[in-house]
Amino acid sequence: KNEVEQSPQNLTAQEGEFITINCSYSVGISALHWLQQHPGGGIVSLFMLSSGKKKHGRLIATINIQEKHSSLHITASHPRDSAVYICAVPRLGGGADGLTFGKGTHLIIQP
Amino acid sequence: ETGVTQSPTHLIKTRGQQVTLRCSSQSGHNTVSWYQQALGQGPQFIFQYYREEENGRGNFPPRFSGLQFPNYSSELNVNALELDDSALYLCASSLDGYSGNTIYFGEGSWLTVV
Repeated sequence: KNEVEQSPQNLTAQEGEFITINCSYSVGISALHWLQQHPGGGIVSLFMLSSGKKKHGRLIATINIQEKHSSLHITASHPRDSAVYICAVPRLGGGADGLTFGKGTHLIIQP
Repeated sequence: ETGVTQSPTHLIKTRGQQVTLRCSSQSGHNTVSWYQQALGQGPQFIFQYYREEENGRGNFPPRFSGLQFPNYSSELNVNALELDDSALYLCASSLDGYSGNTIYFGEGSWLTVV
């Protein structure tokens, strides 16, 4: 069963700073998901990665399959980026058996 | 807007009661899974349905059960509610599993057991 570790657990930064959130997992996977959760509870999918790098606006996600590690970067951070960021991987590496989630990184961007 | 809707959004139940939570997935999404998220924690996998059959289950007791219907809706039933069942319950849907497909989450149902 996959185990997921995220760091840092909490991060407070000033507007405009470059943000990096890290995720490590224990079992080889077919895809990794980066998710964003706002205080109301709803979760939004940011990226689904199986290799390399993806970019969407100011968000960049990278994954190193060999090292079982992924990072989420936010460039030119803004207060509206404040949220909990969660990485998730298939529980058993692949197949149809749900996801295992990291505990999340609580990000606060101060103006 | 993810196209996944959950109901009710908030509810309060008494210990020992039963509750049914509902999820309406995007049309065509044959995979739906349910998660329990306690305050300050990441979501925990309850179970998953694929084409109306349960095909995966997390470490939850049998009093947590579910159904998936042909119209892509699903429900989570919890019997004999306990205080520790108080949490946010999330459903997530996708096409053919989560190994290579985008996941769509509902806004969740906040359950408080008193």
